[in-house]
Amino acid sequence: LAKTTQPISMDSYEGQEVNITCSHNNIATNDYITWYQQFPSQGPRFIIQGYKTKVTNEVASLFIPADRKSSTLSLPRVSLSDTAVYYCLVGHGYGYNFNKFYFGSGTKLNVKP
Amino acid sequence: NAGVTQTPKFQVLKTGQSMTLQCAQDMNHEYMSWYRQDPGMGLRLIHYSVGAGITDQGEVPNGYNVSRSTTEDFPLRLLSAAPSQTSVYFCASSESGNTIYFGEGSWLTVV
Repeated sequence: LAKTTQPISMDSYEGQEVNITCSHNNIATNDYITWYQQFPSQGPRFIIQGYKTKVTNEVASLFIPADRKSSTLSLPRVSLSDTAVYYCLVGHGYGYNFNKFYFGSGTKLNVKP
Repeated sequence: NAGVTQTPKFQVLKTGQSMTLQCAQDMNHEYMSWYRQDPGMGLRLIHYSVGAGITDQGEVPNGYNVSRSTTEDFPLRLLSAAPSQTSVYFCASSESGNTIYFGEGSWLTVV
């Protein structure tokens, strides 16, 4: 299993940039890195996915160094509504590799006013 | 946009009872799965399916059965409910790659 390690929790204030780092030392060559967001009483929601270097969308940026053993989710100018649990997921495709998706406990981000 | 639909939303069972959590998706996805999430914990994979007629076990399959007779539906059956199965259950589907679409969850309490 491509296990991931994230901080259990982080605090931030509205308007700040938040960076959440995920460690995945045993990432495989064809694994992708995907981040999900989960609000209380809801299912997780896809945020961003990448393979290497930098990926940006309307919600976040994902930074992946050359060795791909870690990744950083960057949330610009967070608001109270960004308070959620963020999961880093490492794997590739589905089919018979399904079991290789490991959610872990995620990072609980608490945004304060 | 229905996406992934789970029923029921809430259920209370007595120990030893059986029940089925229903899951349906309207995106024609091949891959479907069931996760459970205990309070303050991450998601753990129970069972998954890579297509109609094909299912396999995940990380925590004991006490649960699944079947996949159609692409759209992937029910999860609790054979004989135990208090340890009190949890929130999420059904998910995906086409390929890592973008997983989750349902809204089913809250199950076993007393």
